[in-house]
Order: sequence, then C-alpha cells, then structure tokens
Amino acid sequence: QITLKESGPTLLKPTQTLTLTCTFSGFSLTTAGVGVGWIRQPPGEALEWLALIYWNDDERYIPSLESRLTITKDTSKNQVVLTMSNMAPEDSATYYCARTMRGFDHWGQGALVTVSS
Amino acid sequence: DIQMTQSPSSLSASVGDRVTITCRASQSINIYLNWYQQRPGKAPNLLIFASSNLQSGVPSRFSGSGSGTDFTLTISNLQPEDFATYYCQQSYRPTITFGPGTRVEFK
Repeated sequence: QITLKESGPTLLKPTQTLTLTCTFSGFSLTTAGVGVGWIRQPPGEALEWLALIYWNDDERYIPSLESRLTITKDTSKNQVVLTMSNMAPEDSATYYCARTMRGFDHWGQGALVTVSS
Repeated sequence: DIQMTQSPSSLSASVGDRVTITCRASQSINIYLNWYQQRPGKAPNLLIFASSNLQSGVPSRFSGSGSGTDFTLTISNLQPEDFATYYCQQSYRPTITFGPGTRVEFK
C-alpha cells in the first residue's frame, strides 16, 4: 500500500521560509521512472504544480517560482522536502505531495499553510 | 511555458447524462495528458493517464481521447459521485501544468 503524508508548519509570517516534508511508504524513490512532486491549491482555486524530483535526482520547478523553491530527497528516510522562501499571504494554500510514474497516481492528504502577520 | 485551458469552466448535468470536457494545450504535448477528479475537501484522484489510459480502479464510464493540443474527457452515464471538479494536466517535460478545472454540478 502506497501512502504519502505532508508535514510542516500551519502558520507562517510574511518573509519566512516554508519547509514541508513528504514522508512516503510503499514505493522507493530509487526505482526508475518514479518521482515525487509538490502541488498547491489556494482555497477555492485550481491546482498549481510547484516542483518535482525524480529517482535520478533530476529536479524540475515551475518557472515563475523557481528562484524561491528547492526540492530535495532522502531515500534512506523515504522523504522529500520542499522549501519555499519569502512566503507571502498569496502563498496560503493546501500543499500536496504526490507520487508520479504515469501521472500523479498517489497523493497525500494535503497540508494547509496560512501566511499572515 | 505550456498553458492549458479547459472548457467549459462549469456545467450542470443530471444523473445518467453523458458529459464531455475539453482541454487544450498551447503547444503540442503528444499524448502527455492526464485527467484528475477532485471532490470537495479531498486530494485529486487520477482518472486517465497518457490521454486515453484508464487508471486502475477507475470506473469504465470514464474515457479520454486526443493528441497534440486537443483532448477530451467523457463521462458516460453520470453517477452521483461524479459531481466534482475535473482537471487536466500536461506532463510534456520539462515542466508540468494543470488546467483551470471544470466543475460538474447537479442540474
């Protein structure tokens, strides 16, 4: 059974850095073709893909936010970490991590992050 | 960047209806197009990958087609649990983009 779970702060102040951890089980991020990505969704709005890291350490970022994002993996801990710097109120959203092989086929439950002074 | 559009943005339908949602890419993405269903308060669920392949466990009333820039998701015999928002997503590297979503509402 494949599971993913996001963890991190629920409330941040503007300009702070967000660090989210995705802890997964039931698959390995050393298997060819496997990746783990981050997707966010502001309340009542559409999904927005942020970043993705593949089994071979290939990293991909949404161009509009690339300067603020870093994605890393720790295969020994089965974790993927996303950092996003200089958070602003408009970054308030539910942040999901998801596995990809052929589409994002398994998702975490999501973590609601609010940015407010 | 590849931009995705969906039409309509919302639609009203009844149980038993056949529903078609269209997704268009700003440039050719071959068949690198996936479809998701999202119910309120839940994570998205993969329905179709690579344009026309039904994800394991997804009912056969869902189908997808298309290639290049134009794609379609069809739901035949709409069921009560199908009232949700549907998103297309392109995976033509190097980056990924979701469409704006189509909300299927009860008529």
